[in-house]
Amino acid sequence: QLQLEESGPGLVKPSETLSLTCTVSGDSISNTNNYWEWIRQPPGKGLEWIGTVYYSGGTDYTPSLRSRATISVDTSKNQFSLKLSSVTAADTAVYYCARRRPTTETRHGCFDPWGQGTLVTVSS
Amino acid sequence: DIQMTQSPSSLSASVGDRVTITCRASQGISSYLNWYQRKPGKAPKLLIYAASSLQSGVPSRFSGSGSGTDFTLTISSLQPEDSAIYSCQQSDRAPLTFGGGTKVEIK
Repeated sequence: QLQLEESGPGLVKPSETLSLTCTVSGDSISNTNNYWEWIRQPPGKGLEWIGTVYYSGGTDYTPSLRSRATISVDTSKNQFSLKLSSVTAADTAVYYCARRRPTTETRHGCFDPWGQGTLVTVSS
Repeated sequence: DIQMTQSPSSLSASVGDRVTITCRASQGISSYLNWYQRKPGKAPKLLIYAASSLQSGVPSRFSGSGSGTDFTLTISSLQPEDSAIYSCQQSDRAPLTFGGGTKVEIK
C-alpha cells in the first residue's frame, strides 16, 4: 500500500528557505505512471497546489510560486523534496505531499494518496 | 487559472440527513472534477474522481454528479464520521486548482 510521509522543520524564519521532504513507501518513486506533488493549506484558507515532479526530474509549478519553489526527486532514497525560498508569514501552512496519476478519466489526475501533512510556521 | 467556487462554505445537519455540496468552475472542465474529504490531523482522502466515480473503499452514501461547470457532492444519509471539510479540485488544466472547502458539522 502506497504511503507518503512529510518531514522537515516546523518553524522557519522570515526570508529563509523552507525545506521539506516526502518519503514514499509501498511503491517505487520511479514508477512511470506517477507524478509527485506538493500542496499546502494556509490557516483558514483552501488548498493550493504548489508543484509537481516526475521521477526523471521534470517539474512544473503554480505560477505564483514559480520564482521561489524548487521541487526535486531522489530516486535512490525514494524521496522528493520541496524548497521554498524567501518565505514570509503568508507561507505559513500545512504542507502535504501526494501522488498524482493522470488517466483518461481524470486528464491531469487526482491526488491519491496524501501524506498527513506537516505544519510549517514562518516566524522570527 | 480555473477558479473553483464551493457553496455553502459550511453547513450543519443531523445524522441521517441528505447533504448536498456544490462546486462551480469558472469555465467548462468536462467531467474532470474530483472530491476530497479532510479531517484534522489526517491525510486528505479522495472520495470521488471524474465527477461521479466512487473511489474504492468509500461508502456508497457518497455520490457525485455534474459536468461542464456545475458539480455536486451528495451524502445520502449523513453519519457522525462524515464531519469534515470537503473540497473539490479540477483536473482539466494546469495549474490544478481547488475549491475553498465546505465544512460539514453534525447537529
